Amino acid sequence: GAVVSQHPSRVICKSGTSVKIECRSLDFQATTMFWYRQFPKQSLMLMATSNEGSKATYEQGVEKDKFLINHASLTLSTLTVTSAHPEDSSFYICSARDGARADTEAFFGQGTRLTVV
Amino acid sequence: GDSVTQMEGPVTLSEEAFLTINCTYTATGYPSLFWYVQYPGEGLQLLLKATKADDKGSNKGFEATYRKETTSFHLEKGSVQVSDSAVYFCALRVIQGAQKLVFGQGTRLTINP
Repeated sequence: GAVVSQHPSRVICKSGTSVKIECRSLDFQATTMFWYRQFPKQSLMLMATSNEGSKATYEQGVEKDKFLINHASLTLSTLTVTSAHPEDSSFYICSARDGARADTEAFFGQGTRLTVV
Repeated sequence: GDSVTQMEGPVTLSEEAFLTINCTYTATGYPSLFWYVQYPGEGLQLLLKATKADDKGSNKGFEATYRKETTSFHLEKGSVQVSDSAVYFCALRVIQGAQKLVFGQGTRLTINP
């Protein structure tokens, strides 16, 4: 089946620095990728939707200058948390859809636990 | 807008017990419906899905039937195992646009031996 690889799985960074999270589709072309944030014991909150080669669409309340999303190829999307602060600590999950296949589900990465100290 | 409501947890059962996790939805049209499972520290795995009314999704002993009349997609399993302990998310896929997923709040399931 389709595989989505997310890296790193865990990262600890100092307050004020930036962190990049990668999401790769390994065996299909991901025309659309989604980025979610999950707080402890809560559901997934969609942050943004990105389509290859175009700007991401952010959900209401998500700061686009804080969470930079780049979807430069059909197999890679990145999320950069800029000037991270402790309140950005969370579990971030990406998912990807194969736009060439109709009515296909999205596949999820393993998630990245970000801790800002 | 579209939304998903699932029963609150946590749910604790003994091994071999019968499981039901309720899920209802509000949506425009007839979206595809999904159950995902999340094990500790991991991303989500698709458990089962149904794309139209009266469809039954099944996998690993879990089942859910797409009920249009009650706008429900309840998850069931006849005999749970300790390895089923996880968080379960019900979701629908929005029909328009990027077809994003809308998730319920998740139900934490713990199975005791």
